[in-house]
Amino acid sequence: NAGVTQTPKFQVLKTGQSMTLQCAQDMNHEYMSWYRQDPGMGLRLIHYSVGAGITDQGEVPNGYNVSRSTTEDFPLRLLSAAPSQTSVYFCASKEGQAYNEQFFGPGTRLTVL
Amino acid sequence: AQTVTQSQPEMSVQEAETVTLSCTYDTSESDYYLFWYKQPPSRQMILVIRQEAYKQQNATENRFSVNFQKAAKSFSLKISDSQLGDAAMYFCAYEEVTNFGNEKLTFGTGTRLTIIP
Repeated sequence: NAGVTQTPKFQVLKTGQSMTLQCAQDMNHEYMSWYRQDPGMGLRLIHYSVGAGITDQGEVPNGYNVSRSTTEDFPLRLLSAAPSQTSVYFCASKEGQAYNEQFFGPGTRLTVL
Repeated sequence: AQTVTQSQPEMSVQEAETVTLSCTYDTSESDYYLFWYKQPPSRQMILVIRQEAYKQQNATENRFSVNFQKAAKSFSLKISDSQLGDAAMYFCAYEEVTNFGNEKLTFGTGTRLTIIP
């Protein structure tokens, strides 16, 4: 099992550019989520999905879009990048029930100039 | 909204000694779950230990144990016999219980633990 994979590992964007962060898991998990990690602020939930075709907003959704067409994939789209979106982004997945361990990807470091 | 507070941005401990990391949370729910995650320099998030709020017995995983005080809304992590590999950022997290499968993790701001050889 590869677990949770994320691409790219690093990315530099200019303000106004768009891009998609990829996330895939091979554990057949129903629940997937995206977090951003900023210094001194811990991890904050951006969007999450409880299954294919179902997504919902987290704590900091503005500027980001998601879709879930398959169980395995959960891409995060930045529509028009802003310097405030400079962060480390983590994708995670878990089996659907509460209390289950979330498995995290290795993260993507994004810099917006 | 639930909040999780880790009041110690940094801690250090001598190798082989014991250290306790603090975490408090705010919730009006009676049933929920609490977690400690570790993030070493590799950036990979790893589950250390978890606790169900309805269980009074404190969770233990080898050298890691928690002190769960439900009335005080406190969930501290004790690391015994600290090892160099324990050096990491530690995050406390809260998860509410729902019937819909849409539970969300709320993280604290983290405590950076340094192990002194």
